[in-house]
Amino acid sequence: KQEVTQIPAALSVPEGENLVLNCSFTDSAIYNLQWFRQDPGKGLTSLLLIQSSQREQTSGRLNASLDKSSGRSTLYIAASQPGDSATYLCAVRVGRGGSNYKLTFGKGTLLTVNP
Amino acid sequence: GAGVSQSPSNKVTEKGKDVELRCDPISGHTALYWYRQSLGQGLEFLIYFQGNSAPDKSGLPSDRFSAERTGGSVSTLTIQRTQQEDSAVYLCASSFGPSNEQFFGPGTRLTVL
Repeated sequence: KQEVTQIPAALSVPEGENLVLNCSFTDSAIYNLQWFRQDPGKGLTSLLLIQSSQREQTSGRLNASLDKSSGRSTLYIAASQPGDSATYLCAVRVGRGGSNYKLTFGKGTLLTVNP
Repeated sequence: GAGVSQSPSNKVTEKGKDVELRCDPISGHTALYWYRQSLGQGLEFLIYFQGNSAPDKSGLPSDRFSAERTGGSVSTLTIQRTQQEDSAVYLCASSFGPSNEQFFGPGTRLTVL
């Protein structure tokens, strides 16, 4: 059974700092990995999707890397801003058989960026 | 609208009552998913629809939970005889196909008193 772990559970940083969020998964046979952002009381916004054949994806100040063999992904946020404050969720999609529709989520990292 | 919509946004009910939660997927998306987000539990997969059929109901926690999808579009998640442990945010997502990126709705926050 795929398990996804996110560390740290919470992170508080001053504005302007660069930061890294970590995600690990137990089964390396993934189809892809996705990072989401969730604001309080809201749904999920997709930030980056990395296919299993890719090593990283970039969007603006965000960069996500994937090391499938070690079961790890990191989300790097450059020059953090108070508007980045949210919960960041990592989700993997299994790659075996016909089950590659199901996302398995970590419990998230609650990020607070202080002005 | 352009995104996935869900209704109601909030629902408060008494233990033992039945509730229905609605999801309108993005037009043209054949795949639809329900997830549940409970405090301290993270997001859990409930059910997957491809068209109107549900090939995977493995995440439904009990037989009090059921879901249907009609016309390959709108889906309804029904919880019968609600219990306090059913309190959670219920999220719906849709995608073009089962392997494509999933887009999430804003969720329905269910509180069972």
